[in-house]
Amino acid sequence: DQQVKQNSPSLSVQEGRISILNCDYTNSMFDYFLWYKKYPAEGPTFLISISSIKDKNEDGRFTVFLNKSAKHLSLHIVPSQPGDSAVYFCAASTNAGGTSYGKLTFGQGTILTVHP
Amino acid sequence: KAGVTQTPRYLIKTRGQQVTLSCSPISGHRSVSWYQQTPGQGLQFLFEYFSETQRNKGNFPGRFSGRQFSNSRSEMNVSTLELGDSALYLCASSPGTGQGYTFGSGTRLTVV
Repeated sequence: DQQVKQNSPSLSVQEGRISILNCDYTNSMFDYFLWYKKYPAEGPTFLISISSIKDKNEDGRFTVFLNKSAKHLSLHIVPSQPGDSAVYFCAASTNAGGTSYGKLTFGQGTILTVHP
Repeated sequence: KAGVTQTPRYLIKTRGQQVTLSCSPISGHRSVSWYQQTPGQGLQFLFEYFSETQRNKGNFPGRFSGRQFSNSRSEMNVSTLELGDSALYLCASSPGTGQGYTFGSGTRLTVV
């Protein structure tokens, strides 16, 4: 049972345009969400996170939106740059019991390609 | 500030052998989590240690085990290796407060 899903395996955008990566989840206990960027043979690099008490978080070119009723989050990258080309993973965790933050449940990833 | 260090970077083992992977977290981080990445299953949580205690465990067989030392360094062990254990094993550390997970570059394990 995949609790975190990224339904688009890949996304291709032009440099300077907006990239929108989507993620859906099924577990209503998730209360903390993260986006990671990953290059081959490297570990994921943290991009941005959002707590379930918020619906938006911004950091430079990256904005994450959370729609709890739809169990959906998205990552917006504006403007997109060729260096943003990588695999993007969304991840979720729950603090049920106060000790569960160490476990992240990841989506399958979306390959983003930004063309010059 | 040094990042999360995983050793070795690459490893080739034979079926039936056992292997130990090492992870040194960021200084001051008390939580260490381990993940397995495979093309078919994606990134899957193995276990998390906090202050030398296993705090969470994923759905992996008992052949997968780990431990954490008093200096927060962690090791994971896989016994009786199977071909399907070939994967990138990633370690992540955090202060333990629920945020700020930083990943290492991983250990690429190949079982032949």
